[in-house]
Amino acid sequence: EAGVAQSPRYKIIEKRQSVAFWCNPISGHATLYWYQQILGQGPKLLIQFQNNGVVDDSQLPKDRFSAERLKGVDSTLKIQPAKLEDSAVYLCASSLLYPGMNTEAFFGQGTRLTVV
Amino acid sequence: AQSVTQLDSHVSVSEGTPVLLRCNYSSSYSPSLFWYVQHPNKGLQLLLKYTSAATLVKGINGFEAEFKKSETSFHLTKPSAHMSDAAEYFCVVIRQGNLIFGKGTKLSVKP
Repeated sequence: EAGVAQSPRYKIIEKRQSVAFWCNPISGHATLYWYQQILGQGPKLLIQFQNNGVVDDSQLPKDRFSAERLKGVDSTLKIQPAKLEDSAVYLCASSLLYPGMNTEAFFGQGTRLTVV
Repeated sequence: AQSVTQLDSHVSVSEGTPVLLRCNYSSSYSPSLFWYVQHPNKGLQLLLKYTSAATLVKGINGFEAEFKKSETSFHLTKPSAHMSDAAEYFCVVIRQGNLIFGKGTKLSVKP
């Protein structure tokens, strides 16, 4: 079974530039998550999709971050414009079941973003 | 609201000695708890999970964790550390369908 695919693996941009990350979840997984992991910290949820609808985006900085999941499969996360504090690893995860007590999420390898 | 606290940011052990990574949880009801491991430049991998079944949970690579309601703890243990166990470990609780991560414990294994 193929895992969660993310691209690119690494990205370096200057502040105020724009960047986009792509995620292809495991086939058939309805739930998709984007997490931000700053160096030395645990991952923090940015947004959760159920199929192509947003379930939770309460921690997404909507003035600069946006995400979409067209057709309920692939997803893109965009930052525009980037700030130095956005330097982090962006993780995508997917799970089969509707969020609940037995949810198991599978993670991609992440995109490491450096803003200079 | 559900949350987890990992009590140690860094644990160092010698190869062949026991491993103990501590995690306390806060929840108003019986939580779902997980341990994930993150090796350098690799994705997060599920080690084990507790979902209100047996309180002693066995995971991959010889790891296990015991859910103790009286102590609100879910500590991760392994009888004998291996060099390949060196990684970052995260205790995770489910809250409203989302995975809430602790700050992580970095495990170092000395030869």
